[in-house]
Amino acid sequence: GAVVSQHPSWVICKSGTSVKIECRSLDFQATTMFWYRQFPKQSLMLMATSNEGSKATYEQGVEKDKFLINHASLTLSTLTVTSAHPEDSSFYICSALPTSGNEETQYFGPGTRLLVL
Amino acid sequence: LAKTTQPISMDSYEGQEVNITCSHNNIATNDYITWYQQFPSQGPRFIIQGYKTKVTNEVASLFIPADRKSSTLSLPRVSLSDTAVYYCLVGPDTGRRALTFGSGTRLQVQP
Repeated sequence: GAVVSQHPSWVICKSGTSVKIECRSLDFQATTMFWYRQFPKQSLMLMATSNEGSKATYEQGVEKDKFLINHASLTLSTLTVTSAHPEDSSFYICSALPTSGNEETQYFGPGTRLLVL
Repeated sequence: LAKTTQPISMDSYEGQEVNITCSHNNIATNDYITWYQQFPSQGPRFIIQGYKTKVTNEVASLFIPADRKSSTLSLPRVSLSDTAVYYCLVGPDTGRRALTFGSGTRLQVQP
């Protein structure tokens, strides 16, 4: 089955530092990947749509200069949280959309828990 | 995307059948109904998708009445490992678009 990995699975950092989170589709190519954020006891909220070879599309209220997205290959998208602050502490989840075929299902990664001290 | 309404939480015991109902009164003609499962500290997992009537797979069944204004996810003989949050999503080709998650239903299965 289609597998999406995220690295790291959890990270603790100091306020003001930057953190990079990787999302990889392991056995399929994904032109499009999505980044979601989930705060405790809340639902997933879409942050941005990542497209290979082009700029990401950000949802309203999500700062593109703070959450840098790079989708440099068909199997990798990265989310960099720049100058992280405690309020950025959250569970970050990516999903990948298979490029080929008539796949109607997108596959989610296991998530990355970020704690900013 | 059509707005969905689900119970916030449900409790059950091992071995019981659990039915979670989702209301989606404004569902459009080309909308599908999709259910996802999310365990704590994990990404969501696709469970089942349907358009009308009944769909069954190895994990669950999905019942959709003729008016499609609601749907029911049925989990047969739940176990402790079915404790999770279950999300009902409605939209066209929901697999190929960013997903809008509602609040979901938190199912707690007890021994």
